[in-house]
Amino acid sequence: EVQLLESGGGLVQPGESLRLSCAASGFTFSSYAMIWVRQAPGKGLEWVSSISGSGDRTYYAESVKGRFTISRDNPQKTHYLQMNSLRADDTATYYCAKGRFASGAYNWFDPWGQGTLVTVSS
Amino acid sequence: QSVLTQPPSVSGAPGQTVTISCTGSSSNIGAGYDVHWYHQVPGTKPKLVIYRDTHRPSGVPDRISGSRSGASPSLAISGLQAEDEGDYYCQSYDSSLSGYVFGTGTRVTVL
Repeated sequence: EVQLLESGGGLVQPGESLRLSCAASGFTFSSYAMIWVRQAPGKGLEWVSSISGSGDRTYYAESVKGRFTISRDNPQKTHYLQMNSLRADDTATYYCAKGRFASGAYNWFDPWGQGTLVTVSS
Repeated sequence: QSVLTQPPSVSGAPGQTVTISCTGSSSNIGAGYDVHWYHQVPGTKPKLVIYRDTHRPSGVPDRISGSRSGASPSLAISGLQAEDEGDYYCQSYDSSLSGYVFGTGTRVTVL
């Protein structure tokens, strides 16, 4: 069974940093792209970042480009989202998800983790 | 800000059929990129219900179906049941943004 478990969320002040982790099991981790999607309280889904299976290609939404960094450790079956210069509008539940393919535009996301809440507030 | 537009809400009585549209532009759906659909019960994680416009993952009831006519994808839920309530999101890829995009979301209510 494919399982994804996020960790690392919490309460931080504006301008601070946080690193989210997503531990995977049940599939050949390096063969699939991994994705981060966030959902602000009461709002819809927003794609944040993606990384290819090999880790050589990364992609970011404009809203986080230059502040967030996605990475992965394939032997450890874990991928990460390093979030710097956090702002109040980054407050959201962050979900990790598995892509259907190693990379590319035709990916869909299945399954999703349970999510981890990030709150940015002074 | 979502790039794909969906109706905010749809509702129907048990047993009826509801349909949700997903409208994009020439850089995403209009460019031929696949559309996928997710169902989210508030407070829980999203779940894939349709991929590649019309394909249903195992375990998703055949009451849920996806269709696409040109650049107009839609999701239909027939034989509406209480378990179908929640939010539905479409998702595609946008070549101008070089990233994935979601719809604005549609709240389905069973009356």
